[in-house]
Amino acid sequence: EDQVTQSPEALRLQEGESSSLNCSYTVSGLRGLFWYRQDPGKGPEFLFTLYSAGEEKEKERLKATLTKKESFLHITAPKPEDSATYLCAVHGSSNTGKLIFGQGTTLQVKP
Amino acid sequence: ETGVTQSPTHLIKTRGQQVTLRCSSQSGHNTVSWYQQALGQGPQFIFQYYREEENGRGNFPPRFSGLQFPNYSSELNVNALELDDSALYLCASSIGQSEYGYTFGSGTRLTVV
Repeated sequence: EDQVTQSPEALRLQEGESSSLNCSYTVSGLRGLFWYRQDPGKGPEFLFTLYSAGEEKEKERLKATLTKKESFLHITAPKPEDSATYLCAVHGSSNTGKLIFGQGTTLQVKP
Repeated sequence: ETGVTQSPTHLIKTRGQQVTLRCSSQSGHNTVSWYQQALGQGPQFIFQYYREEENGRGNFPPRFSGLQFPNYSSELNVNALELDDSALYLCASSIGQSEYGYTFGSGTRLTVV
């Protein structure tokens, strides 16, 4: 059964304190691993798609990496505006286009 | 380029009632998916529509049903509402089963009392 587990559930950082969020997954035939950012009461906002082990993508203070079993979202020198819930999702080889989401990591960055 | 828009933004219904939620896909997107997100949880897949036909369904009972229209807009209908149906309902559009990302709307917050 396809499954995604994110850790930690919650993370508090001081502004400028770099850290990483983890996404462990099991999926039959990975077609893509997605990272989304979600602000309270809003829909998820697309950040990255990763397709194969070893791939890396960057956007401002965020960098996503992928191995065969997990993905990391590295946050370098975070700012308070980076505070949000970060969701990881996988798209497997089924034909439904179904995304399997983790429960998310809620990040709070204090000034 | 317009994004995904959902209506209404908030809704309060009584247990046993029926509800219809609406979604307008992003321009150029022909596939729409619906997700249910309970508080503090990740979104759960309800179903997907492609070319006006259901193209996959998650573990939701038949009282959850949907439609996709020729202009790619969509509706989610829920009959016989239960208290556990209270959640944020998200619509996501894409070009086919896109590995290039799904664009989500801001959701409809449904409260069943």
